[in-house]
Amino acid sequence: GAGVSQTPSNKVTEKGKYVELRCDPISGHTALYWYRQSLGQGPEFLIYFQGTGAADDSGLPNDRFFAVRPEGSVSTLKIQRTERGDSAVYLCASSLRARQNYGYTFGSGTRLTVV
Amino acid sequence: AQSVTQLGSHVSVSEGALVLLRCNYSSSVPPYLFWYVQYPNQGLQLLLKYTSAATLVKGINGFEAEFKKSETSFHLTKPSAHMSDAAEYFCAVSPNFGNEKLTFGTGTRLTIIP
Repeated sequence: GAGVSQTPSNKVTEKGKYVELRCDPISGHTALYWYRQSLGQGPEFLIYFQGTGAADDSGLPNDRFFAVRPEGSVSTLKIQRTERGDSAVYLCASSLRARQNYGYTFGSGTRLTVV
Repeated sequence: AQSVTQLGSHVSVSEGALVLLRCNYSSSVPPYLFWYVQYPNQGLQLLLKYTSAATLVKGINGFEAEFKKSETSFHLTKPSAHMSDAAEYFCAVSPNFGNEKLTFGTGTRLTIIP
């Protein structure tokens, strides 16, 4: 596609529920990144993929968070047993290669609200 | 570990005046440095990046930034502010090899006064 697409744009869920957030990167981009942006803060790294494999998942806050990219294109971020503290904007970005000098393209984000 | 500090969470300038947004970095290895802009309800957009080539980097929309190793700074400037520049600006740092994480600052909200 022309840009990075994230769905849904907004998600409201109850505490304890399971949610999935989807990211569709730019066609041909092999690197895909997930970040989380809490209110009033800069984005914080969660995980990045080079192809199908998670190259670095050190930013995932705990084992309730998991992400997959089974075919090296679309990625899904999964959050189990959601907590109110998970409320944030979840940003996805993609890059032609996993090298910073290529630069990222970010999607518009999914705003997750846990009530 | 890398980090960036953005001085001033809010900056207001008059239309036509100089824009100066400050960013200082901390890095144990030569860094890559970035400025991103975020308009309301939109994703982050790359303004410019320093990747160890020229120290004065020109970006989109008339913005530029200068890498100063002696001051560990990467301040963002624009000679003449436009109303459309009102947005949130983020400085970010990454090591220039091996580690693909970006570490962002807390952002500076730029307001343009007509």
